[in-house]
Amino acid sequence: RKEVEQDPGPFNVPEGATVAFNCTYSNSASQSFFWYRQDCRKEPKLLMSVYSSGNEDGRFTAQLNRASQYISLLIRDSKLSDSATYLCAVNMEDEGRDDKIIFGKGTRLHILP
Amino acid sequence: GAVVSQHPSWVICKSGTSVKIECRSLDFQATTMFWYRQFPKQSLMLMATSNEGSKATYEQGVEKDKFLINHASLTLSTLTVTSAHPEDSSFYICSVELAGVYEQFFGPGTRLTVL
Repeated sequence: RKEVEQDPGPFNVPEGATVAFNCTYSNSASQSFFWYRQDCRKEPKLLMSVYSSGNEDGRFTAQLNRASQYISLLIRDSKLSDSATYLCAVNMEDEGRDDKIIFGKGTRLHILP
Repeated sequence: GAVVSQHPSWVICKSGTSVKIECRSLDFQATTMFWYRQFPKQSLMLMATSNEGSKATYEQGVEKDKFLINHASLTLSTLTVTSAHPEDSSFYICSVELAGVYEQFFGPGTRLTVL
């Protein structure tokens, strides 16, 4: 099983719709989870941190399911400007050193007018 | 969040030359910075962890003699791609981490093209 896995998409969604995607992780001991947004040919930017209780920021909701080892990102009332690649990131223990963050390959989202 | 700059934003060089990329943390002191590489339509791949005042920690498969990292101050880390080859052409991105919370903030990246 890959350490951090995402459906690459693309997800083609009409403007105004709700879209959700998941990210699975392999290390049950992971404690920190993040969603990043990356626009084409740009650096990733932190969208949300995901903690045990989940969190919501405007149209974006992130959830953590420890039992099934996945995090989710829900986008409501999608906008054209939401089109991007969404990367999940999870901390992983690494033998002999501090934890490190592993990124998924990202899920591409296209919002259609 | 943290503000991170990178220089240059893009560079084109001939095969065999060396290229230095700078990463600066502009608004807080970073004892740890990270260097990533991203090929088109691929995920971010961690190359190394840059530690201020000590040697960098390289990921498996990353040649430390080819990718030289210097983290001489709390606000600056440099990555030097030595004897660059076309297969080194990629998007190189640095990040800084807020201590204790794992949140990373990325620089704008450097697009390297080796001819």
